[in-house]
Amino acid sequence: DGGITQSPKYLFRKEGQNVTLSCEQNLNHDAMYWYRQDPGQGLRLIYYSQIVNDFQKGDIAEGYSVSREKKESFPLTVTSAQKNPTAFYLCASSLQGGEKLFFGSGTQLSVL
Amino acid sequence: SQQGEEDPQALSIQEGENATMNCSYKTSINNLQWYRQNSGRGLVHLILIRSNEREKHSGRLRVTLDTSKKSSSLLITASRAADTASYFCATVPSGGSNYKLTFGKGTLLTVNP
Repeated sequence: DGGITQSPKYLFRKEGQNVTLSCEQNLNHDAMYWYRQDPGQGLRLIYYSQIVNDFQKGDIAEGYSVSREKKESFPLTVTSAQKNPTAFYLCASSLQGGEKLFFGSGTQLSVL
Repeated sequence: SQQGEEDPQALSIQEGENATMNCSYKTSINNLQWYRQNSGRGLVHLILIRSNEREKHSGRLRVTLDTSKKSSSLLITASRAADTASYFCATVPSGGSNYKLTFGKGTLLTVNP
């Protein structure tokens, strides 16, 4: 069953804590993305990766970090420097830039 | 920055009616895409229209693009209750990174049975 898997579905962060959101794809896509969605808002780009071992900042990268050590995986770490982390996080992939995105089912992050 | 802006913000119709949503954007694009999101779920790609295309169809969906007005519309014909969702337009800028799709805030469509 090809697609993108995000885990966990729900995540709670304590103050001062770093948390990592998982994103795995088996679509053999080169490009992967992380978006943040706040209630009633569109998606804002956090980071994207065009290819393994390469990634670039999006529009709201402060307080986040990523890695791309394998083609299939693009984990996002929400660091303690992100002061307002409560949001719905969406991972996506595409065959190449500018083409349609395939999305995971999202992770809801809340602060305790 | 929000490139695309959908209009209206919310739309409520009866089953069987047509639904039209509009998207306006500010800068030149390579293509424009429409996505659908059910509540609490990921987005699903519906249709992609390139800057040199004016109209595209996919099943009950019809998308138009007017690059002179920097606008697009999504028409869903003969709507069903299962079409209830939020609909987003996303633009790929020309002259910039193809990887930086910019999404609008979406139109919430409610189809009443």
